[in-house]
Amino acid sequence: AQSVTQPDIHITVSEGASLELRCNYSYGATPYLFWYVQSPGQGLQLLLKYFSGDTLVQGIKGFEAEFKRSQSSFNLRKPSVHWSDAAEYFCAVGANNRKLIWGLGTSLAVNP
Amino acid sequence: DVKVTQSSRYLVKRTGEKVFLECVQDMDHENMFWYRQDPGLGLRLIYFSYDVKMKEKGDIPEGYSVSREKKERFSLILESASTNQTSMYLCASSLSTGYTEAFFGQGTRLTVV
Repeated sequence: AQSVTQPDIHITVSEGASLELRCNYSYGATPYLFWYVQSPGQGLQLLLKYFSGDTLVQGIKGFEAEFKRSQSSFNLRKPSVHWSDAAEYFCAVGANNRKLIWGLGTSLAVNP
Repeated sequence: DVKVTQSSRYLVKRTGEKVFLECVQDMDHENMFWYRQDPGLGLRLIYFSYDVKMKEKGDIPEGYSVSREKKERFSLILESASTNQTSMYLCASSLSTGYTEAFFGQGTRLTVV
């Protein structure tokens, strides 16, 4: 079955520390992968996407993600976290029926 | 810039009321979606529309219906609101076939009392 797993429900990091949010997927075909961010009380905003080509993709707000086919992973990273990065992060896979398959999200808290 | 607009940020309705949530996109997108978001449950798809007057049930359609009379507008209808429909509702749109990203509205926080 197609699925997306975000193993970490909640993560806390200190401001200035590096960040890695994990995403694993199960999908039979070539995956199209997305990371979204949701600030409190807001809709979701696209951070970055992977369709093909270079497996390291750059996104907005200084985020990047690496697609690893052998590990079925698409982990999100940021070298230095800012307090404004505190939010909910969602990983998603684009399915061939026009829909997206979503992970349950990871809530990020940033300590000053 | 792509824009998806939901008609209300916050709504409070009474049990048994018929509730309309409206969503408009200005990007000529074919696909529109209604999701419900609850803590710990992520985004759950209620209904999906891929064309005018076309709709498809999502994972949790019970208690909801939708209407898409024009390409840019997708309405979610709660026929008889219940307290267990208190939630955040998110509308999204995407371009067409394939794997294009979805664009989201700001969300409607609905409280049913």
